[in-house]
Order: sequence, then structure tokens, then C-alpha cells
Amino acid sequence: DAGVTQSPTHLIKTRGQQVTLRCSPISGHKSVSWYQQVLGQGPQFIFQYYEKEERGRGNFPDRFSARQFPNYSSELNVNALLLGDSALYLCASSPQVTNTEAFFGQGTRLTVV
Amino acid sequence: AQKVTQAQTEISVVEKEDVTLDCVYETRDTTYYLFWYKQPPSGELVFLIRRNSFDEQNEISGRYSWNFQKSTSSFNFTITASQVVDSAVYFCALIGRAAGNKLTFGGGTRVLVKP
Repeated sequence: DAGVTQSPTHLIKTRGQQVTLRCSPISGHKSVSWYQQVLGQGPQFIFQYYEKEERGRGNFPDRFSARQFPNYSSELNVNALLLGDSALYLCASSPQVTNTEAFFGQGTRLTVV
Repeated sequence: AQKVTQAQTEISVVEKEDVTLDCVYETRDTTYYLFWYKQPPSGELVFLIRRNSFDEQNEISGRYSWNFQKSTSSFNFTITASQVVDSAVYFCALIGRAAGNKLTFGGGTRVLVKP
């Protein structure tokens, strides 16, 4: 069975641009969560979606948005990119909303120049 | 609020030495879950273990073992007879019911195992 897949794996954007990151959860998993991991730090929670509804939001500005599709895949959008948005963006899928069985993808490394 | 602290930022050992990673957590919840994840250079977070707050039984799995002590709010992780492939960043994490369903991570401990 395929694990959590994220695309693209690497991305370079210019300040002010917009970016869309994609995540496909493990088959049968209905919860997708997004995390931002700045170099040298632990991951920080951005969003959780479960059954296409937002179930949690971390302390991130409104430039960050996400959605979940009927097939449970998800997109994370970031507008008006700043240099500080450079990070590894991780997607986690879980069969339940409780996230006690969270499995992570390999991440998308975003560099803003 | 919940918080996870990993005081050790980096540990360097020679192969076959044991290495213990410390994790201290804070939560107001009586029901919570603790986790350890491994992050190799590839970036993916690999799940190692989960413990709930009602299960203080320590566990051994191969070369890995975990020591959960509610009295000191600690959930430590030991690698016995370390190998070069154990080199990675290890994260302790917490989910507490009151904080929603998000994982709160510590800052990570980088383990370098030298041959």
C-alpha cells in the first residue's frame, strides 16, 4: 500500500508569489494535517481537515489556507510568500480525527528567495 | 497549553554505545498520548511508538526501549547498541484532548552515531 505522498518534493519561489502544496493520504484515512518545520526546529501544526471540514487551525496568518477534496487528498496554499515561509511542509494522514495514528509524508521543501 | 521539551539538542556516540533521549512534557489533560518519531535526512517522520496516559508500562522493542513516568512527566527513549543507521533527529510529541487533535512536538534531538 502506498504511504502518504506529497508533491512537489522541492520548490523554489520568489517573495510575494503564491504556492500550492499537495498531499494524498493513505488509502482509507480521512484526516489530513499539515505541519511546518523550520530548519532546526520541531514541526508546528498548521491545519487539520477531517471529512472535508476544517477541524483545527494553528497559529498561522491568513495567508495560509487549505482544503480537502472528496477523495480526502488535500492542498495547502500560501499567498504572498515571505522569506520566513521557507521550511519543510509535512502532511500527516490518520484514519480518525483524533490523530493518534498519524503517518507522515516525505514533505515538500519550500525555499523562498 | 501543552509543551514538549527535549533538552538535548545533539548527542554523539560511537557505534555500539547506548544512547538515551530525554523528553519532558506539560499538559493539563488527564487523557493524552505521547509519541516518538525518527526523522532521517530524507525528511520523513517515521513513527516509532505511542503511549497513552493510562499505560505506564515500559516497553522494549528490539534495540529500542521507552520509559514513561507520569510522576515526573517524562517519556524517555533509549537505543541500545547503537548503529550508524540510527543517526537521525528524534522527536518527542504529545496529543492532549483539550488542545485538539494536533501533535505538539519538542525541538528534537540529533543523534550522530560514529563508526
